Amino acid sequence: DAKTTQPPSMDCAEGRAANLPCNHSTISGNEYVYWYRQIHSQGPQYIIHGLKNNETNEMASLIITEDRKSSTLILPHATLRDTAVYYCIVAAQGGSEKLVFGKGTKLTVNP
Amino acid sequence: NAGVTQTPKFQVLKTGQSMTLQCAQDMNHNSMYWYRQDPGMGLRLIYYSASEGTTDKGEVPNGYNVSRLNKREFSLRLESAAPSQTSVYFCASSVGNHYGYTFGSGTRLTVV
Repeated sequence: DAKTTQPPSMDCAEGRAANLPCNHSTISGNEYVYWYRQIHSQGPQYIIHGLKNNETNEMASLIITEDRKSSTLILPHATLRDTAVYYCIVAAQGGSEKLVFGKGTKLTVNP
Repeated sequence: NAGVTQTPKFQVLKTGQSMTLQCAQDMNHNSMYWYRQDPGMGLRLIYYSASEGTTDKGEVPNGYNVSRLNKREFSLRLESAAPSQTSVYFCASSVGNHYGYTFGSGTRLTVV
């Protein structure tokens, strides 16, 4: 079973920031938070990951709460091409643990 | 740069038929994975191969077999297809860490 809880759907206006929440209250100390997205039945695409510090790359920012029980993926200026299902996953890096995908959040960016 | 290539892209099978889904990666990745995705659902892991010569069961392995032919190729075989195996199948590869997963474009399989 997925170790995360995400809202099933969200809407966002084009050009505005999209903030996607994720709860992971049972996260362990060695587990990272990973975000992937899947655009219209294509294969999932890696976005970003973090352990406890906030992270930013060219695609998004990841804000993790101090207690690590929740996080938020931020797309600073959403475009129509960001419409996708976003998956929040927790897993220990490397090792034998595999990525477990839940149902994710369907983000719809509206013009 | 092809990344992860899956063949075929589409397939229709009759119940009881067999087939092999092919997956190849050109990134020199150690680990490879097979997932299935049913409509409106997340991806579920079928089998994976942490390195050449090893394979292990995932969450939903029943009805499937796999072969890690070499470092590049990881195939998924359905010996006797059933309608419950109608799904989209994704192959992925990684260097061994979770942020390095690269997925193929999928094989859309229908079993009638």
